[in-house]
Amino acid sequence: SQTIHQWPATLVQPVGSPLSLECTVEGTSNPNLYWYRQAAGRGLQLLFYSVGIGQISSEVPQNLSASRPQDRQFILSSKKLLLSDSGFYLCGLGQGPRLYGYTFGSGTRLTVV
Amino acid sequence: SQQGEEDPQALSIQEGENATMNCSYKTSINNLQWYRQNSGRGLVHLILIRSNEREKHSGRLRVTLDTSKKSSSLLITASRAADTASYFCATDPDLGYSTLTFGKGTMLLVSP
Repeated sequence: SQTIHQWPATLVQPVGSPLSLECTVEGTSNPNLYWYRQAAGRGLQLLFYSVGIGQISSEVPQNLSASRPQDRQFILSSKKLLLSDSGFYLCGLGQGPRLYGYTFGSGTRLTVV
Repeated sequence: SQQGEEDPQALSIQEGENATMNCSYKTSINNLQWYRQNSGRGLVHLILIRSNEREKHSGRLRVTLDTSKKSSSLLITASRAADTASYFCATDPDLGYSTLTFGKGTMLLVSP
């Protein structure tokens, strides 16, 4: 069965520092991959999605970027974090998403101080 | 942008009672999905209903979809304390690649 790994679970970073969150998947190939962010008490906001290696679509213009260097690896990055980047970041996997829905990782809680 | 809007924002019931949550959306969809999130955790997929379906069941879950009213409901029957969580509806648009737009969720509290 497909699994999704996301780390770290929590992260506290100073304003202006860089960020790298990694998501890897197992048990599947050529999945759709997604990065979502959840602000406190709100729903999830789609940040980026990827349908293949090197293919990234950005939904929200901001100081974040994403990369997919391998089929089963999706990375969320920032060169300089802002306070507004704080939130709960979730990586999602869609394999046949319109048949079976998405699988989400356990998330990274990022606090920018 | 938020497309799905859940109602109510919060719901408190006793074990054994039924819980109903509603979701409204604005644009054409390929499918609508419901997810559960326990506090501080990732989302768990519950059920997917396609735009040409009107009702779907999975265990104690029943989902309905009315595309003419652009609305959906999630019914949890015979609720348990373990059902306490936030529930989100998410819409998958009827174009291009699959992407989900989530509502703000309904917080369900089931008391023993």
